[in-house]
Amino acid sequence: GENVEQHPSTLSVQEGDSAVIKCTYSDSASNYFPWYKQELGKRPQLIIDIRSNVGEKKDQRIAVTLNKTAKHFSLHITETQPEDSAVYFCAASLGGGGTSYGKLTFGQGTILTVHP
Amino acid sequence: KAGVTQTPRYLIKTRGQQVTLSCSPISGHRSVSWYQQTPGQGLQFLFEYFSETQRNKGNFPGRFSGRQFSNSRSEMNVSTLELGDSALYLCASSQGHLLQETQYFGPGTRLLVL
Repeated sequence: GENVEQHPSTLSVQEGDSAVIKCTYSDSASNYFPWYKQELGKRPQLIIDIRSNVGEKKDQRIAVTLNKTAKHFSLHITETQPEDSAVYFCAASLGGGGTSYGKLTFGQGTILTVHP
Repeated sequence: KAGVTQTPRYLIKTRGQQVTLSCSPISGHRSVSWYQQTPGQGLQFLFEYFSETQRNKGNFPGRFSGRQFSNSRSEMNVSTLELGDSALYLCASSQGHLLQETQYFGPGTRLLVL
């Protein structure tokens, strides 16, 4: 089945710096890649997603890039703020039916700490 | 629209007992997926329901089961609880018609098995 690896497991930056989190996936048929932010004691919330027909997507300070050939995708956060501190999860989803329905395969998460 | 809701929010059970968790999706969403979140294993897919039918299932033992009602509300049941079942159980809803839809998560039910 699909496997998603996420690095680094922890990331500490100073306010205003950029943060980059990388994920690799194993199944070349995967074609949907969301990123979720989970603050302590709260639900995961989608912050950005990308589909395999797009190489890059940006939303204000957040961007995601996808390299289908290398099977990896990355989250970029610019001008980090203390409120960006949270656990970030990448995920991948297959495009076909059957065993793909409703299933996201998640990376292990990255604990991002932004120091004021 | 109201978000995904889950009840109860917290549960304490003992080994061998069973438990039922409930998830109410966003209005109009017909797909509900369930995930188990633990510090060691991260977020793992349990199963997905759409129109009262299980369409997909993860690699969990048969003690984990679920169902969905005609109003799209879903329940999951864990029988013969084990210590290792202690986790945060999250459900997520989506419209269910497409294969690349955003999943919206509920707040989760935190289960502690003693």
